[in-house]
Amino acid sequence: DAGVIQSPRHEVTEMGQEVTLRCKPISGHDYLFWYRQTMMRGLELLIYFNNNVPIDDSGMPEDRFSAKMPNASFSTLKIQPSEPRDSAVYFCASSLALRGRVGEETQYFGPGTRLLVL
Amino acid sequence: AQKVTQAQTEISVVEKEDVTLDCVYETRDTTYYLFWYKQPPSGELVFLIRRNSFDEQNEISGRYSWNFQKSTSSFNFTITASQVVDSAVYFCALSDDQAGTALIFGKGTTLSVSS
Repeated sequence: DAGVIQSPRHEVTEMGQEVTLRCKPISGHDYLFWYRQTMMRGLELLIYFNNNVPIDDSGMPEDRFSAKMPNASFSTLKIQPSEPRDSAVYFCASSLALRGRVGEETQYFGPGTRLLVL
Repeated sequence: AQKVTQAQTEISVVEKEDVTLDCVYETRDTTYYLFWYKQPPSGELVFLIRRNSFDEQNEISGRYSWNFQKSTSSFNFTITASQVVDSAVYFCALSDDQAGTALIFGKGTTLSVSS
């Protein structure tokens, strides 16, 4: 079975440009999460969706960040305009459920997108 | 508030040595879940194990074993007979009702295994 798929794997852009990160969750998973990993802050949750609906976006750092999930198999995280401090690795993860039978809440991560904003 | 502490920032061992990675957590909830993830140099996050707060049984999977002790709020991870391929950053994470869905990650322990 395919795992979580993210694209692009690497992105280099200039400050002020729009950046769009893409994610395809594991088929059948109802929950999708976006995390960011930086040296300073470690791994932190940005936003998560349940059945394509954003549930908690309290981790989104600023209005420059937005996320959508138009269908069960696709989500985007957009940064507009990008800034050098947005440079990080962005992970997408998915899970079957939040709390449920054994293992359903386990989050499986994609390979990440390494973003560098110059 | 919830918190996960991995006090060991870096550990270096020689192949075939046993190594234990420490994880101490804080939560006020009685129901919570603990996880270990591995991040190899290639960068992906690989799920290793999940434990819920009602299951204190230790687990062994090949060379990996986990020791969960509620009395000390610890969920330690031991690699027996380490190998070079075990070199990675290992993260311990907590999920509880207060955090909702978020995984609260520790800072990670970088394990370097030399031949």
